[in-house]
Amino acid sequence: AQSVTQPDIHITVSEGASLELRCNYSYGATPYLFWYVQSPGQGLQLLLKYFSGDTLVQGIKGFEAEFKRSQSSFNLRKPSVHWSDAAEYFCAVVTATDSWGKFQFGAGTQVVVTP
Amino acid sequence: DGGITQSPKYLFRKEGQNVTLSCEQNLNHDAMYWYRQDPGQGLRLIYYSQIVNDFQKGDIAEGYSVSREKKESFPLTVTSAQKNPTAFYLCASRGGTGFTGELFFGEGSRLTVL
Repeated sequence: AQSVTQPDIHITVSEGASLELRCNYSYGATPYLFWYVQSPGQGLQLLLKYFSGDTLVQGIKGFEAEFKRSQSSFNLRKPSVHWSDAAEYFCAVVTATDSWGKFQFGAGTQVVVTP
Repeated sequence: DGGITQSPKYLFRKEGQNVTLSCEQNLNHDAMYWYRQDPGQGLRLIYYSQIVNDFQKGDIAEGYSVSREKKESFPLTVTSAQKNPTAFYLCASRGGTGFTGELFFGEGSRLTVL
């Protein structure tokens, strides 16, 4: 069955420290991968996306993600976290076989930033 | 600015009442979606529409209904048949071409059943 897994429900990180959020997927077809961020009570904002080409993708707000086909992973990273990065982060996948684009979302990772 | 507008932001409903959540977009996107968000469960697809006058059930359509009479509008009705309607509802549209477009989201509507 197709699935998207974010193994970490909650992560606490100190301001200025590095952050890595994990995302694993299980799909037979070529995946198109996305990371979104959600502040409390708000909609989701796209951080970055991967379709093809360079497996290291740069996004907004200083985030980057690396696609590793062999590990079926698309982990999100940021070298130095700011207090404003406290939010919930969602990994999403869609494949070319979904003619209308059925996005599958992970359960999300809540990030808390401490002083 | 282009975007997706959802209203109302907060809505309270008594049991047995139907309520309608509004979603309007000015992005000129063909595809629109409704998601339900509950804590710890990510986003679950309720309904989607690829073009005007056409829509399809998603994974959790029971107790919900939609219409797509205009390209810009995709309202969601939460009916009294939905047994647990308290949730955060997100409307989205899809940009780009082919399979590479991402979802654009509204700010959401929080429905609480009293």
